[in-house]
Amino acid sequence: DQQVKQNSPSLSVQEGRISILNCDYTNSMFDYFLWYKKYPAEGPTFLISISSIKDKNEDGRFTVFLNKSAKHLSLHIVPSQPGDSAVYFCAASDTNAGKSTFGDGTTLTVKP
Amino acid sequence: DTGVSQDPRHKITKRGQNVTFRCDPISEHNRLYWYRQTLGQGPEFLTYFQNEAQLEKSRLLSDRFSAERPKGSFSTLEIQRTEQGDSAMYLCASSLLAGGGSKIPYSTDTQYFGPGTRLTVL
Repeated sequence: DQQVKQNSPSLSVQEGRISILNCDYTNSMFDYFLWYKKYPAEGPTFLISISSIKDKNEDGRFTVFLNKSAKHLSLHIVPSQPGDSAVYFCAASDTNAGKSTFGDGTTLTVKP
Repeated sequence: DTGVSQDPRHKITKRGQNVTFRCDPISEHNRLYWYRQTLGQGPEFLTYFQNEAQLEKSRLLSDRFSAERPKGSFSTLEIQRTEQGDSAMYLCASSLLAGGGSKIPYSTDTQYFGPGTRLTVL
């Protein structure tokens, strides 16, 4: 049973446009959500996070939205740049339990 | 560089051999995690420590796997009698569990990852 799902394995957008990456979760105990970016042969790099008491968090070009009732979160990148091309992982954490559960990732390609 | 470091970056071994990986977390972090990642999947949780205490182990962690964090600083992950199915990227992450008080009314547990150790079992 996969508790965190990223249903789109890949996404391609034009430079300057918006990239929207989606993530769904099933465990209502998750209270902290994160997005990571990963390049080949490197560990995941933290991008942005959101607590379950918020519905939006913004950091520069990156905004994460959380819809608790739908158990859905999304990452918006505006404007998208070619350097954003990478694999993006969504993660959900139950901070009391300590562990994070990751989705399988979405490969974003931003075309010049 | 004060990030999470892992050693070695790559390890090639023969089936049946034992291997040990090391992780040095960010110095002030109290939590340390081990994950395993295979191609096309996200990191899978293996185990985590809060200071020197190992608080949870995944069912994925068979009895051939053991992890330690003896002084609450660096950690080692040992795999005994390696099998070809153990081939994967082993990731270490650390975090400082914070918040839950008046200044930050919610807990944050942002994990910062090391570069990983790529294990190949022949």
